[in-house]
Amino acid sequence: AQSVSQHNHHVILSEAASLELGCNYSYGGTVNLFWYVQYPGQHLQLLLKYFSGDPLVKGIKGFEAEFIKSKFSFNLRKPSVQWSDTAEYFCAVMDTGRRALTFGSGTRLQVQP
Amino acid sequence: KAGVTQTPRYLIKTRGQQVTLSCSPISGHRSVSWYQQTPGQGLQFLFEYFSETQRNKGNFPGRFSGRQFSNSRSEMNVSTLELGDSALYLCASTESSSHNEQFFGPGTRLTVL
Repeated sequence: AQSVSQHNHHVILSEAASLELGCNYSYGGTVNLFWYVQYPGQHLQLLLKYFSGDPLVKGIKGFEAEFIKSKFSFNLRKPSVQWSDTAEYFCAVMDTGRRALTFGSGTRLQVQP
Repeated sequence: KAGVTQTPRYLIKTRGQQVTLSCSPISGHRSVSWYQQTPGQGLQFLFEYFSETQRNKGNFPGRFSGRQFSNSRSEMNVSTLELGDSALYLCASTESSSHNEQFFGPGTRLTVL
C-alpha cells in the first residue's frame, strides 16, 4: 500500500521568508503527485500537480514543487511567503490505477506579519 | 462552471442513527470520490463512483456506502452511527480525461453525539 509522509507538522515563518515543505511517498508504480491547500474555513484547493515531464512544476500563487524520483520526494517551495499563505498544506499521491488519493498528514503553516 | 456542491454543510446526529450526504459534481465530471477528514486519521479515501458504478473502495466498514445517479450526483450513507464517525466528509469530482485531477467540495461536517 502506498503512503505519504510530511515531515513538518507545524511551521511558523515570518513574511518574506522562504518556504520548503517536505513530502516523501512510498509506491513503486506510476504515480500522479499533488499539493493541496486548505485555507481556514475553506475547501481543499489544488496548488499544483505532477503527472510527467519536467520534474519542476509551477503552481498557483508562486508555489512550485520538484519531483525527485530517486528520492521518492515531491517537496513544495515558495521563495517568499505572505501572511495570506497561512493554511494547511497536504501532499497527495494517486496510484494511476486506483484513482484514489493518499494524503499526507498535512503541514500547518503559520505566517507572521 | 459551478464547483462541487455538498449538502447539507452541517449535520448533527446521535449514535445509532443513519445519515445521507449529497454531492453534486462539476458539470461534465463523471467521477465522484468521497473522503473522510478527521484530526486523528487525516484524509482517508472512502470510495469512488463512475457511471453509477463503484470502482474503488477504501478500508472502511460496510456501514459506509454510496451510490451515484445517472446525472453523476452522488450520495453517501452511514448507518448505525458511532461517535468516531464525527468528521468532515469531502466529495471530489474528476473529469475522466484530466489525469485524475480531483476538485473538492466544501464538505459536510457531521457531528455524532
